[in-house]
Amino acid sequence: QSVLTQSPSASGTPGQRVTISCSGSSSNIGSNTVNWYQQLPGTAPKLLIYGDDQRPSGVPDRFSGSKSGTSASLAISGLQSEDEADYYCAAWDDSLDGPKWVFGGGTKLSVL
Amino acid sequence: EVQLVESGGGLVKPGGSLRLSCAASGFTFSSHSMNWVRQAPGKGLEWVSSISSANTYIYYADSVKGRFTISRDNAGNSLFLQMNSLRVEDTAIYYCARVDGEFDYWGQGTLVTVSS
Repeated sequence: QSVLTQSPSASGTPGQRVTISCSGSSSNIGSNTVNWYQQLPGTAPKLLIYGDDQRPSGVPDRFSGSKSGTSASLAISGLQSEDEADYYCAAWDDSLDGPKWVFGGGTKLSVL
Repeated sequence: EVQLVESGGGLVKPGGSLRLSCAASGFTFSSHSMNWVRQAPGKGLEWVSSISSANTYIYYADSVKGRFTISRDNAGNSLFLQMNSLRVEDTAIYYCARVDGEFDYWGQGTLVTVSS
């Protein structure tokens, strides 16, 4: 059971816009920034969005992040076949039982 | 170019031990917090442990607390994870990851299989 909650799957057709959500609590998303990672099959995760809505150099502007309260979202516009991957949200958690990094369970994106 | 290369994975029996290493290059290792993150076969990412740049802060996931020990050698640009009392559920790919506010660089991972 992951601390951050993501839908297990999402899908879209080429060119569409899809949104992946991530729900947390006041000790993680509510008080710290959210990061998003893309994991292509058989590869290590790659940083996609940091600081809630910032893109690292090299990440296309088709990818965007946002946050409101204790929830965050990743939007992918102009969906492409190479976007088919697993997407994970993550945040630092200041919980009283010990600070830690927490991840969402991941969302498998299919491009139909 | 930032590079993180893990090693030390392999097959071990339940109750056994392994020591993972992560060799870092391309950046000032001593200036960054480092972490281990694992991924069980077909499952999601799970944070394992974190160590601050000067060893001041060390944190563990509850699932490994008391069994795993994270350490680093800033002079040798290396990160380590000593894993004792291994369980079947520790089977996973173990990634080392650099932190600069977020996990910005990841290694390719090393596979640990715990099985009798």
